[in-house]
Amino acid sequence: LAKTTQPISMDSYEGQEVNITCSHNNIATNDYITWYQQFPSQGPRFIIQGYKTKVTNEVASLFIPADRKSSTLSLPRVSLSDTAVYYCLVGAINTDKLIFGTGTRLQVFP
Amino acid sequence: SAVISQKPSRDICQRGTSLTIQCQVDSQVTMMFWYRQQPGQSLTLIATANQGSEATYESGFVIDKFPISRPNLTFSTLTVSNMSPEDSSIYLCSVAGGGEKLFFGSGTQLSVL
Repeated sequence: LAKTTQPISMDSYEGQEVNITCSHNNIATNDYITWYQQFPSQGPRFIIQGYKTKVTNEVASLFIPADRKSSTLSLPRVSLSDTAVYYCLVGAINTDKLIFGTGTRLQVFP
Repeated sequence: SAVISQKPSRDICQRGTSLTIQCQVDSQVTMMFWYRQQPGQSLTLIATANQGSEATYESGFVIDKFPISRPNLTFSTLTVSNMSPEDSSIYLCSVAGGGEKLFFGSGTQLSVL
């Protein structure tokens, strides 16, 4: 079971790019890296998932180096509505209990 | 993706009583998970509930306190029994969707007086 380490909090301003890095040194071969976003009073919401290299979708990019021991969630041009907690999960649903780490609380200012 | 409905969305309960939380999914899923999230904290996995088998509980959680039912592939319940104020928390139902993704309900906010 890969343990994850993320910064507890980050601050940014509207329009800036935000990069949140997650460390997962003991990631296993079958593990995927998945990021979730959680707003107050809501359940976490899937943002992006990857296995290696780079993945991009309409809301974010995920960068994964060759050794897969870390990953970086990149949010381009954040807005106030991106203020939320972001969780990095590493594992494979069928073989692991998906344990949430502390998450990163992102605060976006005007 | 999967759409998950949780009921109730919130409740205020008296000490010593029990509350059953329902989780309904709009599609058939094999794996369902129950999480607890205390105020300002991350999510803690309570148990994994797969249809046709007994729920698997994480360390610190026991069946007598948190009995779970999983009668079919679209429904599950979690009961919080003999509640105390320490059980005040948000309880979240989650399902495994395609591609190693988790989908969550909006949660049940429980306050125990």
